[in-house]
Amino acid sequence: EPEVTQTPSHQVTQMGQEVILRCVPISNHLYFYWYRQILGQKVEFLVSFYNNEISEKSEIFDDQFSVERPDGSNFTLKIRSTKLEDSAMYFCASSRDAYEQYFGPGTRLTVT
Amino acid sequence: GEDVEQSLFLSVREGDSSVINCTYTDSSSTYLYWYKQEPGAGLQLLTYIFSNMDMKQDQRLTVLLNKKDKHLSLRIADTQTGDSAIYFCVSGAAGNKLTFGGGTRVLVKP
Repeated sequence: EPEVTQTPSHQVTQMGQEVILRCVPISNHLYFYWYRQILGQKVEFLVSFYNNEISEKSEIFDDQFSVERPDGSNFTLKIRSTKLEDSAMYFCASSRDAYEQYFGPGTRLTVT
Repeated sequence: GEDVEQSLFLSVREGDSSVINCTYTDSSSTYLYWYKQEPGAGLQLLTYIFSNMDMKQDQRLTVLLNKKDKHLSLRIADTQTGDSAIYFCVSGAAGNKLTFGGGTRVLVKP
């Protein structure tokens, strides 16, 4: 059964550094999403992406964040200058029909 | 903004039924979902219901929706130890963001 994959599973970075979180969505899916879950808090939406552009973004998704689908198979989330409060589990999701979202296993980002 | 609330914890004996309840605020939610997260794993889509339905049954899972009260429940029949996990109640609309509840940790005791 096809799955969403994410790499790395755990990323440790220093404050102020740039990180790129990578996702490989399910191959025939057209809608792509990033969510995050800070420890002890709810899973929260960051951004949705369709037809090579952002379709919706949350207030969290400010100028330090960007997304890209560089090669038709990967979907990346870049955080330009990480802050301590960016430490969280980041989940990628994809959907074929826009109502069933399938999630990857997550990348745990630790900013020190 | 939108909000989804659910109880934190549920303990159940193996073989009994589990019922997890949830309330949501967004009237425009067209889909209500249940996701399951096992320790160390990602978010697994269990089932979902369209907002124009009252009930959906899928093997051991029964979803009930009371749209008037914005109340959703998930019943797991014949609960097994493998059902121990965190269950998330989620609301959304097609193509749009999902709004998650805080999750209910279900512990199944032998």
